[in-house]
This record gives sequence, C-alpha cells and structure tokens, in this order.
Amino acid sequence: TQLLEQSPQFLSIQEGENLTVYCNSSSVFSSLQWYRQEPGEGPVLLVTVVTGGEVKKLKRLTFQFGDARKDSSLHITAAQPGDTGLYLCAGADSGAGSYQLTFGKGTKLSVIP
Amino acid sequence: NAGVTQTPKFQVLKTGQSMTLQCAQDMNHNSMYWYRQDPGMGLRLIYYSASEGTTDKGEVPNGYNVSRLNKREFSLRLESAAPSQTSVYFCASSYVELGTANSPLHFGNGTRLTVT
Repeated sequence: TQLLEQSPQFLSIQEGENLTVYCNSSSVFSSLQWYRQEPGEGPVLLVTVVTGGEVKKLKRLTFQFGDARKDSSLHITAAQPGDTGLYLCAGADSGAGSYQLTFGKGTKLSVIP
Repeated sequence: NAGVTQTPKFQVLKTGQSMTLQCAQDMNHNSMYWYRQDPGMGLRLIYYSASEGTTDKGEVPNGYNVSRLNKREFSLRLESAAPSQTSVYFCASSYVELGTANSPLHFGNGTRLTVT
C-alpha cells in the first residue's frame, strides 16, 4: 500500500507570510497532483507534476516534484486570506491504466488578515 | 457548464435504511469515481468505473454497491446504512486514467451523510 505523508497537518499564519507544505512517500509516483478544497466544496486541481525535479509556478504558488518522484512541496509566497483551505497532494501509480490515486490527509491552512 | 453534479447535498438515515447517491457529469469523461472523506483519514476510494460498463472496487468497498448507468451517470448505493458510513461522499470524473498529466480528477461538491 502506497502512503503519502503531508506536513504540517495544520498551519495558521498571518497575511503576507510565506509557507511551505510537504508531501512525502517511500514510493515512486508517475505523477503527482495538488488540489485545494474549500469548506463545503469538492477539491479543485491546482497543478500536476510529472517529471522528477520539475518546478511549476502558479502566480504566488510554486510546486516542486522531487528528483526521485517520491516527494513534492508547495510553497506559497505572501499568503493571502483567499489561500485559506485544505491542500491535498495525490500520487498516481506508475504505468498505464491506473485509476487509483493515493491521497495525503491534507494540510489545513488558515491565513489571518 | 455544471461539471459534476451530486444529489442529494445532505441526508440523514437511520441504521439499516437504504439510499442511493446520484452523480452525473457533463464533460464527456470516460472514468468516474466515488470517494469518502473522513476527518483524519483523507479521501478514500470506494469504487470506480474506468469506462462505461465496467466497475471495480477501491480501497473501502464494503457496505456499498455501484451502478454505471451510462457514460454520464454513476450511482452509489448503501443497502443497509451503518453509523460507520457517516461521512462526506464525493463523486469525481476524469477523461482517461489518472497516471497521465492531462487527466486530473473533477469533483462534485459532495453529499453529507449522517447515519444515526
């Protein structure tokens, strides 16, 4: 069974601060996805990373996939209250025909104005 | 563009009652999924349907059944509800298998189920 460990579990910061969320595993994934979930809604995809060492930027969010494709990080610069939510990482198994994602338990972020 | 639509949004059942959760997607996706989300447990896959006409068990299938009615619709049935099935249930869809870069999951907004 593949596991994805996310840390920290909870994070409360002031507006304008920077933060990093980590997603770690002992297993190799063919790709890794990051989702954000707001209260009362379903998760929404932020980014997919596929290549080891890949870095993707989405405005103030920077995503990195580890060289060995076992871990990933999400860095937010100058956090804003609109960034508040549950951040989930999810890894896809290697090989074609995979219909199961392994989800981390999430990092609940609160950005205080 | 509705995306993934789930009904109902809220439901309260008594132990032993049955119900069906409905899900429909209008994105012409091939694959559909049912997840449950519990505090401290994250999202866990109950069943999935890789394509119309096929269904497979996920991580936590016990106590549930599914039907892929057509390409658009995928329902989840609880035959005899138990308190352990109190959860938030999410339906999701994807175009192709999840290992590809261009096939993320699209989620509905969930059904909040309480079993007393």
